[in-house]
Amino acid sequence: GAVVSQHPSRVICKSGTSVKIECRSLDFQATTMFWYRQFPKQSLMLMATSNEGSKATYEQGVEKDKFLINHASLTLSTLTVASAHPEDSSFYICSALLNRDFTDTQYFGPGTRLTVL
Amino acid sequence: QKEVEQNSGPLSVPEGAIASLNCTYSDRGSQSFFWYRQYSGKSPELIMFIYSNGDKEDGRFTAQLNKASQYVSLLIRDSQPSDSATYLCAAKTSYDKVIFGPGTSLSVIP
Repeated sequence: GAVVSQHPSRVICKSGTSVKIECRSLDFQATTMFWYRQFPKQSLMLMATSNEGSKATYEQGVEKDKFLINHASLTLSTLTVASAHPEDSSFYICSALLNRDFTDTQYFGPGTRLTVL
Repeated sequence: QKEVEQNSGPLSVPEGAIASLNCTYSDRGSQSFFWYRQYSGKSPELIMFIYSNGDKEDGRFTAQLNKASQYVSLLIRDSQPSDSATYLCAAKTSYDKVIFGPGTSLSVIP
């Protein structure tokens, strides 16, 4: 149990293109999902917390107008990178929160590697 | 001071040895702690979590928590080359946010 999928796994696009990434919890419902970004040889950087039915909570320094998050259902959250630029190239990873054994645990999707030319 | 700290490594151990990974956290109110493994180019996968003082064992892995010392560790027994990865420690803080450490790179030498 606790499987999280992401689509697409890899995107290569031109500068100025908007890119949409989907995150799905396949065998459980997730009220809360998280979006992370990871640059090479660096740790995970939390971008935002996505809550079903409400607005996402963004971390300091993350532009909410550039990284649009929609958590439309208990199994799907989407991240749209608006007008992507080369500096947005990164590994984007989502996670979904599941309460197991009285502990909220994050389960990660496989990640989406975005390359902006 | 960073909220969750780990030695970046690399930590090298011979195959079959015990690998010991350490983590400290600054928020004394943190309640739950997690160990994730991340292979290069892949996303993190959960190894185990712990929230009570003491040891928790799962197969070759043992997590240890000492809340008084604000210290969490992960022991990997009978280390295998396939255990070579970056290990991320995470803490759920008193303000309900999960903070990840920078990770420790482990290399198991055949």
